[in-house]
Amino acid sequence: AQSVAQPEDQVNVAEGNPLTVKCTYSVSGNPYLFWYVQYPNRGLQFLLKYITGDNLVKGSYGFEAEFNKSQTSFHLKKPSALVSDSALYFCAVSAGYSSASKIIFGSGTRLSIRP
Amino acid sequence: KAGVTQTPRYLIKTRGQQVTLSCSPISGHRSVSWYQQTPGQGLQFLFEYFSETQRNKGNFPGRFSGRQFSNSRSEMNVSTLELGDSALYLCASSLPSGEAGELFFGEGSRLTVL
Repeated sequence: AQSVAQPEDQVNVAEGNPLTVKCTYSVSGNPYLFWYVQYPNRGLQFLLKYITGDNLVKGSYGFEAEFNKSQTSFHLKKPSALVSDSALYFCAVSAGYSSASKIIFGSGTRLSIRP
Repeated sequence: KAGVTQTPRYLIKTRGQQVTLSCSPISGHRSVSWYQQTPGQGLQFLFEYFSETQRNKGNFPGRFSGRQFSNSRSEMNVSTLELGDSALYLCASSLPSGEAGELFFGEGSRLTVL
């Protein structure tokens, strides 16, 4: 069975500092990995995905994520955090392309950027 | 291109009532899925529709149902509401093939059951 873990419920970072939001996964076969962001009282917005190819994936709003197959991780990163990055972040995984029902979401990590 | 539209955005019901939520997907998207989001349980899959057919259903009681129309618009219904049904209900649309797995979410319908 596939699963995804976000080990930190909350991450606090000072504005201007680099940020990392962690995600590890377990899946049979090749993983499709995603990051979504949710602002208060809004739906989820797609940030980036890894399907195949370069292990470093660049996405929206200056975010990037690194796929590490040996560590089964897909951490979200940004070199310099902004206060506006404060939101709830979800990692998701599926075993190859499949229907929405097969996409497993992590429990979410609340990112708080202090001025 | 218009995004996923969910209506209503907010609603308050009392226990025992029923509710219907609506979702209009992005034009050209034929797959619609529904999720329940609560602080305690996170994001839980409810059901997925494609071409008016339910493809998959999550682990929810029969009080939760849905349907999809020929124009890909979808509705979900919850009957005999319980306090625990209070949640943000999210709809997402996607292409059935091609772009792999990326979901486009609406802003959700926040249901409060009193």
